[in-house]
Amino acid sequence: DTAVSQTPKYLVTQMGNDKSIKCEQNLGHDTMYWYKQDSKKFLKIMFSYNNKELIINETVPNRFSPKSPDKAHLNLHINSLELGDSAVYFCASSHNPPPDTQYFGPGTRLTVL
Amino acid sequence: EDQVTQSPEALRLQEGESSSLNCSYTVSGLRGLFWYRQDPGKGPEFLFTLYSAGEEKEKERLKATLTKKESFLHITAPKPEDSATYLCAVITGNQFYFGTGTSLTVIP
Repeated sequence: DTAVSQTPKYLVTQMGNDKSIKCEQNLGHDTMYWYKQDSKKFLKIMFSYNNKELIINETVPNRFSPKSPDKAHLNLHINSLELGDSAVYFCASSHNPPPDTQYFGPGTRLTVL
Repeated sequence: EDQVTQSPEALRLQEGESSSLNCSYTVSGLRGLFWYRQDPGKGPEFLFTLYSAGEEKEKERLKATLTKKESFLHITAPKPEDSATYLCAVITGNQFYFGTGTSLTVIP
């Protein structure tokens, strides 16, 4: 009974490639998020969508583009990957927009070589 | 500048030895403070949300409290399974700020 799921769990790729990470939630939540956790375990929000509309868009490179085909899915596409993009990316969801409680997925560890 | 600081960075406790973790914040217009637990290789797991100073919440051996400047996560008689990194996060407006966490190790 996975609440928030992400695929893939691990992603290893070469610099310059384009990759996507998928996120799905079966909690019936309206709001979804993408976070980046760096090597020092610092979590930073990147994007948030509410009912498929972008509500939070932090300062991230244009190479990162979120896409929400429906309320249950929020995918993250990354163009022209760079070494500094290596991190763990977490998807989360909440019933309502902030400050509602967020529930996190298991994470996707991205390694750019 | 809005900021969230957690202390200590790491804490080692003997099983049964109670202690507290601190999360201090300097943000304006706090809308909520969250505590999460994160195990290695996993996503943060929600523990508590506190919305206003004076609020307290409890769950098993954990109790979270909130003042206007900080929050404490009190752990009573911890067990080895409480070992994890505990993360604090605050929200102001639509801005989220996470602390870097306290790594707790409980020794049998």
